Amino acid sequence: DTEVTQTPKHLVMGMTNKKSLKCEQHMGHRAMYWYKQKAKKPPELMFVYSYEKLSINESVPSRFSPECPNSSLLHLHLHALQPEDSALYLCASSYPGQALYEQYFGPGTRLTVT
Amino acid sequence: EDKVVQSPLSLVVHEGDTVTLNCSYEVTNFRSLLWYKQEKKAPTFLFMLTSSGIEKKSGRLSSILDKKELSSILNITATQTGDSAIYLCAVAVMGTSGSRLTFGEGTQLTVNP
Repeated sequence: DTEVTQTPKHLVMGMTNKKSLKCEQHMGHRAMYWYKQKAKKPPELMFVYSYEKLSINESVPSRFSPECPNSSLLHLHLHALQPEDSALYLCASSYPGQALYEQYFGPGTRLTVT
Repeated sequence: EDKVVQSPLSLVVHEGDTVTLNCSYEVTNFRSLLWYKQEKKAPTFLFMLTSSGIEKKSGRLSSILDKKELSSILNITATQTGDSAIYLCAVAVMGTSGSRLTFGEGTQLTVNP
């Protein structure tokens, strides 16, 4: 099973809303990632969790808050977003360690902030 | 700053043609180079290359890494319309905070019937 699942597939939210994105994998991976991808651009790394601990935060605004309750599950909590935050949010997972393992991506959540 | 550059940015071919996509990089603490195919949604993994000169093959796709030239190519032979996608090259580096991928801008491949 090389599947990473993400919910919801689409999300429309207002600037005052609070919502969460969810990502799950059951491949035994211990590194999980959040990326943001704008149209016609490559994915940009936001956060990395390794063994359930936040190891990389790419200076992401505090209106994005990640959470990794266990090795299979990753959340991205959203609050007071701006219209420019509209994008495809991708989750990925891999075996951690030395950047020698491929990352598998989920299908993404298409977020629109109105 | 780590940099990954892909060329061409866009390519239009006819079914049956062979294409070569290029990726060059300037990074510190190189660990591996990965190729992904992205259609409408998530990037799907194609290859990971760590050693120079060893070709990896999967059906009509193949890829090779040249660590001396800091580059890689992805070849697709006998292209089909289903090969139309964005092909992303990413380099995995090891930083002080852990490992990360740096992506190139991608090559948009269109295969016409």
